[in-house]
Amino acid sequence: AQKVTQAQTEISVVEKEDVTLDCVYETRDTTYYLFWYKQPPSGELVFLIRRNSFDEQNEISGRYSWNFQKSTSSFNFTITASQVVDSAVYFCALMNGANNLFFGTGTRLTVIP
Amino acid sequence: GAGVSQSPRYKVAKRGQDVALRCDPISGHVSLFWYQQALGQGPEFLTYFQNEAQLDKSGLPSDRFFAERPEGSVSTLKIQRTQQEDSAVYLCASRRLAGYTDTQYFGPGTRLTVL
Repeated sequence: AQKVTQAQTEISVVEKEDVTLDCVYETRDTTYYLFWYKQPPSGELVFLIRRNSFDEQNEISGRYSWNFQKSTSSFNFTITASQVVDSAVYFCALMNGANNLFFGTGTRLTVIP
Repeated sequence: GAGVSQSPRYKVAKRGQDVALRCDPISGHVSLFWYQQALGQGPEFLTYFQNEAQLDKSGLPSDRFFAERPEGSVSTLKIQRTQQEDSAVYLCASRRLAGYTDTQYFGPGTRLTVL
């Protein structure tokens, strides 16, 4: 069975603070993909990143960085120097051999100016 | 290029009415997905098409839900005899390739409210 847990339901930070969103997953498959999506108030899910299970290299893209650790089944997402435009709900998701994505329940991030 | 589009963006239906939700995927994308997102929850898989073939409908909650993609492009999700528990955001996603390793791109969703 597949499961994605995002234990943080809501987080509030002051602008320019760093924030880390946690994601823990469960799967019995050895080959799988992990994703992060952003859902702003407009409702559209915006793709942020995809990682496969064989690539544990951390990745940085501008103010965003991701830490993938198979040993702890975690795929955490850090925003550096947060901005008001980062306010949204962030979803972590898992895909294995099936064609559908398994999503966590999301973390609502509010960045206070 | 254009992303995934969905219409209508908002739909209010009285209980018992039938509704039809439309999805226009990214041009040339082979795979198309429907998800249901209840308030405060993550999206949940409903069904998957590869071109015009519906390969997986295991997530459809009841036989009142029906999806089609007759020409392998536009898809319609139909809900018959709507119930209050059908109230949710219905998201469509498309994927360029058939292989599961590719990324799914989502539309803005249709918010369905059943009174």
